[in-house]
Amino acid sequence: AQSVTQPDIHITVSEGASLELRCNYSYGATPYLFWYVQSPGQGLQLLLKYFSGDTLVQGIKGFEAEFKRSQSSFNLRKPSVHWSDAAEYYCAVGKKTSYDKVIFGPGTSLSVIP
Amino acid sequence: AAGVIQSPRHLIKEKRETATLKCYPIPRHDTVYWYQQGPGQDPQFLISFYEKMQSDKGSIPDRFSAQQFSDYHSELNMSSLELGDSALYFCASSISRGPYEQYFGPGTRLTVT
Repeated sequence: AQSVTQPDIHITVSEGASLELRCNYSYGATPYLFWYVQSPGQGLQLLLKYFSGDTLVQGIKGFEAEFKRSQSSFNLRKPSVHWSDAAEYYCAVGKKTSYDKVIFGPGTSLSVIP
Repeated sequence: AAGVIQSPRHLIKEKRETATLKCYPIPRHDTVYWYQQGPGQDPQFLISFYEKMQSDKGSIPDRFSAQQFSDYHSELNMSSLELGDSALYFCASSISRGPYEQYFGPGTRLTVT
């Protein structure tokens, strides 16, 4: 069965510092991978996705993620964090078939210190 | 660009009442998904529809039912509401032909008192 783990429940970084959020997945084949961000009381916004091809994917708001098949990881990175990046971040996995659900990880809460 | 529309955005119901949540997918999206996010929880998949047929089912209680209509909008019907049903309910839509990424609506916050 598919599953997603995000080892860090909560991370605090200083504004301007770099950020890396970890994500590991369990799946029998190459999955579709996503990172979503959710601000308090808000919906889920897609930051980036990996379907195939280049393992380093660029997303919105200056985020990027790298797919590493050997480590079953899809870590999210940002070189310089802004205070507005404080939110809940969810890594998610989906199958390579149509109309299939997305399985979310437990989320990592990011706090940014001014 | 058009996004997924959910209505209502907020809903307050009492125990044992019924509720209906509506979802209007992005134009030309033919697949709809429902997710439930409890307080402090990650979103959990409930059910999905493709071309008006149920395509997958997750942890949806028997008290809940859903359907997709000919215009592709979907409704989630919830009966005999319990306090534990209080959550944020997301609808997402995608195109079955790919690239399969799901676009989420803003959610309906249901509070059961």
